[in-house]
Amino acid sequence: AQTVTQSQPEMSVQEAETVTLSCTYDTSESDYYLFWYKQPPSRQMILVIRQEAYKQQNATENRFSVNFQKAAKSFSLKISDSQLGDAAMYFCAYRIVFGNEKLTFGTGTRLTIIP
Amino acid sequence: DAGVTQSPTHLIKTRGQHVTLRCSPISGHKSVSWYQQVLGQGPQFIFQYYEKEERGRGNFPDRFSARQFPNYSSELNVNALLLGDSALYLCASSWYNQETQYFGPGTRLLVL
Repeated sequence: AQTVTQSQPEMSVQEAETVTLSCTYDTSESDYYLFWYKQPPSRQMILVIRQEAYKQQNATENRFSVNFQKAAKSFSLKISDSQLGDAAMYFCAYRIVFGNEKLTFGTGTRLTIIP
Repeated sequence: DAGVTQSPTHLIKTRGQHVTLRCSPISGHKSVSWYQQVLGQGPQFIFQYYEKEERGRGNFPDRFSARQFPNYSSELNVNALLLGDSALYLCASSWYNQETQYFGPGTRLLVL
């Protein structure tokens, strides 16, 4: 069974600084997708960034980028120029390419932004 | 375009009762998935429906059931509620087998 592990329950960063959230996963599949979702206090789950496993190039979305290490099964999220609005729970998630659309989530990392 | 909508936003039930949660997907999306998120944990997959057929089921008891209607909206039903069913129930929609699911705001269920 696929598992996703987030080993940092809480992280904090100064406003305008850079922070990296860690995620590791376990799978025997070769084709899959990885995601980072953000869940602010409003509880709405918002997609931050996604990565296709077959792509070697790391995904980037504005201030958000990932470091995808397929052999190490590692998928970390880097947030640059942190802003107060980035404060939220961040969940790493995995799904296979073929089959049903089940997302497997980690336990989350609570990110606090210090003004 | 409207995002995924869910109703009700909150509800309170007592043990043994039945509950029905509703979800309307983004226009044009044909796949709906349901997740349960217990406080302090990541969401857990319950069901996926596409074209009114069940395409995936998570590790939940038979008290949980769902269906999808011709307009692609969906209902999640939970019978014989237990205290442990208290959670945020999230609905997500997508084009079938596309890589991104978009989530609704959730329904907060409290079982007393």
